[in-house]
Formats: sequence, structure tokens, C-alpha cells
Amino acid sequence: EIVLTQSPATLSLSPGERATLSCRASQSVSGSLAWYQQKPGQAPRLLIFDTSHRAIGVPARFSGSGSGADFTLTISSLEPEDFAVYYCQQRGNWPLTFGGGTKVDIK
Amino acid sequence: QVQLVESGGDLVKPGGSLRLSCAASGFSFSDSYMSWIRQAPGRGLEWISYISSSGSSIVHADSVKGRFTVSRDNAKNSLYLQMNNLRVEDTAVYYCARAVGYGAGAYFDYWGQGTVVSVSS
Repeated sequence: EIVLTQSPATLSLSPGERATLSCRASQSVSGSLAWYQQKPGQAPRLLIFDTSHRAIGVPARFSGSGSGADFTLTISSLEPEDFAVYYCQQRGNWPLTFGGGTKVDIK
Repeated sequence: QVQLVESGGDLVKPGGSLRLSCAASGFSFSDSYMSWIRQAPGRGLEWISYISSSGSSIVHADSVKGRFTVSRDNAKNSLYLQMNNLRVEDTAVYYCARAVGYGAGAYFDYWGQGTVVSVSS
């Protein structure tokens, strides 16, 4: 099983600041990575698929990068609606696994 | 628009059974792969099952293998999760999600709002 470790667990930032979220896999991911955003009481929402492609309707301030076992989600300038929990997910190996999440909260 | 609506969540005793349903609309359900994903209270996301569009390919996570069974009825645009021998640690919000990509190549582009399963004596 591929274990995904997200860091930091919590990121405290102000609106307008840049957020950099890390997702590290226990072994090289044979497929690619997806990123999801979840707000309290809501279902997760797909943000990024295939490591770097934005899903429909996702603003350009969200970007994904990485390869092998190291991946990054960047939010270039935080908007108030971006404060949420973010999860990475690997595709390519059973079982499909998610990272433990990074909470981005308001400083 | 795409809609996934789960139902069937309830409070059950350990060892009990429950059947979850997910009603799909707004897309071609019979051409879509589907999954169930759960989230324990205050915890992260755990993928638990996958079913191909025809139902011929099914994969379950080890944590539920032998106890949970995913199925679908394409004529009714519905996905199901039969949950037997429930344990306290199965307590979670259960989401159905559309899976993009075949088999282990899947990610999830649409999610339902979830249904709550509580297992407690």
C-alpha cells in the first residue's frame, strides 16, 4: 500500500499569501496524483487531476506539480474561500489511498 | 447537472447490517465507474470499494473485504453498498463518487453529500 504523507498538518496564512502544500509518497507513484478540497460539512471537491491539470471551474491560482514520490499543491494568492482541508490521492496502485490532509486556516 | 444522492445511513449495533444506496443523475451512469469512500469523524478519507461500469470488475479495500459488497443497477442508475458484520470502526460518513479512469487509475470527479453510518451498542 502506498502511504501518502501530507505536510504540514496545518498551515496558518493570511489572505493574499502563497500556500505550498506537500504530499510525499512511500514509493514512487506509478500513475499520478489528484488533489481535493474539503470544507466543513461538505463533500470533497476535485481540484487537480493527473498531477497538474485543473478540474472544471477551478481557479488558475491553484496549481499542482511533482513526480515520482514528491508532489506539491500551490495556491498562489489565498482567497477567503480557500481556507479548507486539502487531500492528495494517488492513482495507479491498489488500494487507492489518500493523504491525511493539510488544513489551511486563517492566521 | 451531475447529482449523486446517498441514502440508507443509520445507527446500528455491532454485528448488524446496512445497505447504502446512491442515486445518480445528470450523466451516463451505465458508462461510469463508481466508488464508495468513507470518512470517520474528524479523520481523513478512506477509499473502500470500486466497481466498473458493467459491474464485472469489483475491488474492495482490505478493511472491508469479506464484509462489504458493492453492486450497481444500471437500469435504475443506482449504486449500492451492502455492509455486513459492522464494527464500531466502520462509523463514518459514506460518500459515493464517480471514478474517472479504469481500475487503479481512478480519481473522483463528482461526490455525493454523504450518508452517516454509526455503529454503536
